[in-house]
Formats: sequence, C-alpha cells, structure tokens
Amino acid sequence: AQTVTQSQPEMSVQEAETVTLSCTYDTSESNYYLFWYKQPPSRQMILVIRQEAYKQQNATENRFSVNFQKAAKSFSLKISDSQLGDTAMYFCAFMNNAGNMLTFGGGTRLMVKP
Amino acid sequence: EAEVAQSPRYKITEKSQAVAFWCDPISGHATLYWYRQILGQGPELLVQFQDESVVDDSQLPKDRFSAERLKGVDSTLKIQPAELGDSAMYLCASSLASGASTEAFFGQGTRLTVV
Repeated sequence: AQTVTQSQPEMSVQEAETVTLSCTYDTSESNYYLFWYKQPPSRQMILVIRQEAYKQQNATENRFSVNFQKAAKSFSLKISDSQLGDTAMYFCAFMNNAGNMLTFGGGTRLMVKP
Repeated sequence: EAEVAQSPRYKITEKSQAVAFWCDPISGHATLYWYRQILGQGPELLVQFQDESVVDDSQLPKDRFSAERLKGVDSTLKIQPAELGDSAMYLCASSLASGASTEAFFGQGTRLTVV
C-alpha cells in the first residue's frame, strides 16, 4: 500500500516571500501520479498542481512549482510570491498508474502573514 | 461551473442512530470517491466507484458503513449505527474517468457530529 507523509504540520510565510512544503511517499510502483491539493478554510479541496512520475521535468503552474525527486521519493511544493489567499491546508496525494487509490498525506497548514 | 453536490452540509445525530449522506457528482464523471476527513488530518479513502461498480472499499468499515451508486450517477453513504468516533467531515469527489491524469473534483463535504 502507498503511504504519503507530510512532516510539517504548520508553516508560515510573509506575504510576497517564497515557501516550500515537503512531501515524501512510499510505493513499489514505477509509474504513478502525484498531486498537491489546497483546502482553504471552510471551502472545498481544489487541485493546485500534478506531476506524472514518468516525466523528469518538474511541473509548474504560475506561482506554484514542484521539486520531484523520484529516487528519493520526494515531492515538494514551492509557492513563490505568497499571497494572503494562499492561506490553507495543503495536501500531497498519490495515485497509482491504474488511476486508483488517491491517497493523501496528513496535510500542512500554511499561513501567509501580511 | 459544474460542481460536486453534497447534502446535507451539516448533520448532528445521536450514537446508535442511522445517518445517510448523498453525493451528486459532476455530470459525466464515471469515478466517484467517498473520503472521511477527521479535523486536522488528511482525507482517508472509504470507497471508490467506477460507474456503479466498487473499485476499492478496503478501508470501509463494512460492519457499519455501506455505500451504493445504483445507476452509476449519484451515490449514498450510510452509517448504521453511528458511533462517537464517526464524527468527521465526509467528502465526495468525482473525476471524468478512472485515469490518473484526470483531476478529482471535491464537494464541500458533510460535517457529521455524533453525540
């Protein structure tokens, strides 16, 4: 079974600064998919960014980028130019190659301070 | 914009009572997930449907939980009898197909409190 670990329960960052959230995972599969989801307070979960394990190039979406280290089974999220609206819970998630078992980590609570 | 609809938003029930949650996925989405999220933790997958078939229910406590998606569209998750430890947010999500490249869209959830 896959496991996803987020070792930072809480983080804070000043507005306009850069912050990196960590995620490690464990799997025996060679092809799989990784995601970062954002859950704002009292709002639904939304996808931030996704990475296919067979792609070496790190995914980017505007201010969000990942550092995917397949050998180390590490998948960190970098948020550049942090904004107050980035305040939320962030969840790292794993999905197997068959498209099943979307498994989440325990989350990191990010607070962006003005 | 299409959304995953869940009802009710909030539910308070006494322990040993039965409770049911409803989810209507985005139209055309074949894959439907039910998750349980305890406050401050990550979502835990309870059951995954592909159309009307169960793909995975290995984490569903089958002695008290049941889920169905009879026509492959909307879905119901039931707990009977409810226990104090069932207090959590129950999230429904759907995706276009059981393909890893497709995004899962989440509903706002049903917050259950068992007293």
